[in-house]
Amino acid sequence: NAGVTQTPKFQVLKTGQSMTLQCAQDMNHEYMSWYRQDPGMGLRLIHYSVGAGITDQGEVPNGYNVSRSTTEDFPLRLLSAAPSQTSVYFCASRRGTSGTDTQYFGPGTRLTVL
Amino acid sequence: QKEVEQDPGPLSVPEGAIVSLNCTYSNSAFQYFMWYRQYSRKGPELLMYTYSSGNKEDGRFTAQVDKSSKYISLFIRDSQPSDSATYLCAMRGVTSGTYKYIFGTGTRLKVLA
Repeated sequence: NAGVTQTPKFQVLKTGQSMTLQCAQDMNHEYMSWYRQDPGMGLRLIHYSVGAGITDQGEVPNGYNVSRSTTEDFPLRLLSAAPSQTSVYFCASRRGTSGTDTQYFGPGTRLTVL
Repeated sequence: QKEVEQDPGPLSVPEGAIVSLNCTYSNSAFQYFMWYRQYSRKGPELLMYTYSSGNKEDGRFTAQVDKSSKYISLFIRDSQPSDSATYLCAMRGVTSGTYKYIFGTGTRLKVLA
């Protein structure tokens, strides 16, 4: 199993550009999430999905869109990049909402918006 | 006030020391408590999880939860340079509306050889 994979590893954007961060998992997990990690702020939830076709907003959803057409993939779209979106983005997945379901993280995407 | 508070450190200790990492929280609905380890430029990986109050031991690591004080701890015995990382606490509830993980900001630990 590859676990949770993310592409690209690094990305530099100019203000106003759009892009999609890719996330895939091969563990047949229902629950997937996107977080951003900023110094002094910890991991903050952007969007999450409890299964294909079902998504919901997290703590900091503004400026981001998601969709979940398959169980495996959960892309994150930046609509019009802003310098405030400079961050490290992590995708995570877990089997379900049981407390014993381990949440696995991808390696992250480092995004810089100029 | 944040739901979860964690001292960011950095914490520097000599090899072999006992390390104590802590988090406090405010939401009494939290039932599952996790510790993640994150090496530099990597994703977090689950180290330990505990349900409700009590202790859990795994090798050199012990997790403690005191729900009455809303305080959780991670102890690392015989710390090694390979333990140098950022440690994140996380917690969640069991009812609808509390499934989402809430993370602390992380404590950076450096174990000196």
